[in-house]
Formats: sequence, structure tokens, C-alpha cells
Amino acid sequence: GNSVTQMEGPVTLSEEAFLTINCTYTATGYPSLFWYVQYPGEGLQLLLKATKADDKGSNKGFEATYRKETTSFHLEKGSVQVSDSAVYFCALSDRDSSYKLIFGSGTRLLVRP
Amino acid sequence: EAQVTQNPRYLITVTGKKLTVTCSQNMNHEYMSWYRQDPGLGLRQIYYSMNVEVTDKGDVPEGYKVSRKEKRNFPLILESPSPNQTSLYFCASSLRGANTGELFFGEGSRLTVL
Repeated sequence: GNSVTQMEGPVTLSEEAFLTINCTYTATGYPSLFWYVQYPGEGLQLLLKATKADDKGSNKGFEATYRKETTSFHLEKGSVQVSDSAVYFCALSDRDSSYKLIFGSGTRLLVRP
Repeated sequence: EAQVTQNPRYLITVTGKKLTVTCSQNMNHEYMSWYRQDPGLGLRQIYYSMNVEVTDKGDVPEGYKVSRKEKRNFPLILESPSPNQTSLYFCASSLRGANTGELFFGEGSRLTVL
């Protein structure tokens, strides 16, 4: 079945460092891919998405490119801030089913001043 | 303000004592869903509803019930809670289905069953 695998955390960085959080997926067909962010004490929020191969999603300085050849959707940011500390979830949706998203296990990011 | 509201946010209860976690959305969304979040497991879907009076099981429905009598409300019912249902629960909604990925989440309900 479809699945999403994320790198284990926590990822600890200093402010202004470069961020990469790895995400790979297994899916039949052509899923859409998403990154959600969960700030402390809050629900998840959609950060960015990509709906087809080679699409790049971007928002708030974060980017991720849908790589079909490597089945990956890695999240990147050039310069992290303390306010980016959160848990990041990679997710996919199956085009043949509209009833759920499949989430990865989440990666906690801690950014130190 | 567009939002998904869950209550209670925190609850400690004992095994076997029935409880209901309410979820309400004010965006006229057709789709609603419940997830539970556990360390190392990410989010797993419990139940979902594509529209009023239409509900179906997700991946981990055992021990839970839901109802969708009105479009805005989607309560989660634990008839006889057990310690393995200790978790963080999220309600989510979307205009139509989950495959656009644009789910709106509530702030979560942390449940502890002793």
C-alpha cells in the first residue's frame, strides 16, 4: 500500500542554517504530495504541496520538489529561524481515493538562537 | 474566522467511562475526519465522513464511533475507553475530500485514559 517515510528527528540547527528534511514515498499511480507543519500546541497547517512530477511547492521560504524518479519530496529552507521550530509532516494523497491523506511519522525541528 | 473547533482540549478519564470529543467547523465543508497522533506513528485516520449521514472507517476504527447528523459537527465517541486510546486526537475538514490535501485541522484534544 501507499506509505510515506521521513527522517527521524529531532533535527537541531542553529539560526540561519540550511535545512533539509528527507521524505520518500511509495505509491501506485501519481499521488499528490504535501508538507504540513505543526507548531507547539496547535493543529497541523498545510505548508506547501505539489501535484505532479517536477512541480516545486514553496511557501514561507520553504521549498520541496516532487521527484518521481527518486520517489522523494524533501523539504528545504535556506536560512531557518527560531520561529520555524515545529514538527513537519510529509503526506500524500491517492488520486483514486478522496477519503484520506497518508502521513509520515513527523520530524521535529529545533532551531537554536 | 474560519476554524475547526474541538472540545475538550484536555481530558483525563478512567477506563470504561464513556466520553465524547466534539468537533465543529464553520466553513461549510463536506468532508470531515478524525485522526489520532502517537509518537513515532504519525497521524492515523480513525473515521471519516464525505457528507452528512455518510461515514466510514479509517485505518484504526476499533473502539470508536462517530456520527454526522449535521454538516458542521462530527463528534468522536469512545463508548468504553481503554488505556491504549490515550492519544492526541485531531479533527480535520475539507471542502470536498482529502485528495486536494488542503485539510483544516483543529487544535487537538489530548486524552489520557487511566
